[in-house]
This record gives sequence, C-alpha cells and structure tokens, in this order.
Amino acid sequence: KQEVTQIPAALSVPEGENLVLNCSFTDSAIYNLQWFRQDPGKGLTSLLLIQSSQREQTSGRLNASLDKSSGRSTLYIAASQPGDSATYLCAVRRTGGGNKLTFGTGTQLKVEL
Amino acid sequence: DGGITQSPKYLFRKEGQNVTLSCEQNLNHDAMYWYRQDPGQGLRLIYYSQIVNDFQKGDIAEGYSVSREKKESFPLTVTSAQKNPTAFYLCASRAAVNTEAFFGQGTRLTVV
Repeated sequence: KQEVTQIPAALSVPEGENLVLNCSFTDSAIYNLQWFRQDPGKGLTSLLLIQSSQREQTSGRLNASLDKSSGRSTLYIAASQPGDSATYLCAVRRTGGGNKLTFGTGTQLKVEL
Repeated sequence: DGGITQSPKYLFRKEGQNVTLSCEQNLNHDAMYWYRQDPGQGLRLIYYSQIVNDFQKGDIAEGYSVSREKKESFPLTVTSAQKNPTAFYLCASRAAVNTEAFFGQGTRLTVV
C-alpha cells in the first residue's frame, strides 16, 4: 500500500527566505507526482506535475524535484512571500488500480513579514 | 472559463437524511474523482469514474453513492448509512493518466 509522508507538518519562515518542503512515498511504482497548494477553506490548486521519467520541474519561484528510486520529492520555494502562506500537499499517482492519487497530509507554511 | 464547479459551498444535513453534492466540469475530462478531507488527515478517495456510465469504489466508499450519466457531471450522494459525514468534500478531474488533476473549490458538509 502506498503511503505518502510530508515533513515538517508546519513551518514558519521570515519573508525572503528560500525554503524546502519534503515529500516521501513508500512505493516507487508511480506515474507521476503532483504538488498542490491549498488555502484555508478552499480547494486545491495545482502547482507542478513531475512525470516519473523526469527529475525536476520549474514554475516561477517554484522548483520541484523527484528521486523515484529513493521515494522522495522536494518543493523548493525561492524568495518566499507572505502570499505563499498556505498548506502544500504532494500526491503520487499509482500505476494500475485506476491511476488513483495518494496524498500526503501536507505542510502548513506561514511566511511572516 | 474552464474549470470544475462544486455546489453548494456549504451544506447542512440532519440525521437520517440523504444529501447530494454537485460536481460539474467543462474541461472535457474523462476521469472524475471524489475525495474527503478531514482535519489532520490527507485526502481520502471515495469514488472515481474513468468514463461515462462507469465508476469504482475508492478507499472509503461505504455510506456514499455516485452516478456518471454525463461526461461533465459526477454527483455524490451522502446517505444516512454514512455515520460520520461531517467533512470537506473535494471533486477533481483529469484528462489522462499522465496529466494534471484539477480540483473544485469544495463543499463543506455539516451534520446538525
């Protein structure tokens, strides 16, 4: 059974700092991994999608890496801003079985002025 | 604008009632999903559908039912058999296995 873990559960940083969020998964048989952002009481917004054959993806100040063999992904946020404050979730898409997403419990990020 | 629309945003259910949550997408996506989110837990899959007129149970299907009569619609019914329905419900869709999943804004269901 695929299990996804995100550490830390919460993180507080001063504005302008670069930071890394971690995601680990137990089964390397995945199609892809997706990072999401969730604001309080809202749905999920897709940030980055990394296919299993890729090592990293970039979008603006965000960079996500994937090491499938070790079951790890990181989301790097450069020059953090208060608007980046949200919960960040990673999810892996399993091969077979309907191609379902398995989610981590998220990292709650607060960027302070 | 293309996207996924969930309604209502807030829903209150009395004990013993069935309620239906709406999910509509105009992205022309084949696959649609329903997730439940509880505080401190990851999203858990309730039901999913990869094509019209077909759907499968997810990890926590007991007490829920769905239909997929149209490509753009995937309603979820929370039945009276669901003993702890208070949660945040999220609908998602995707075009193909290697593409992004997109989510709606969620429905918060509360039992009163």
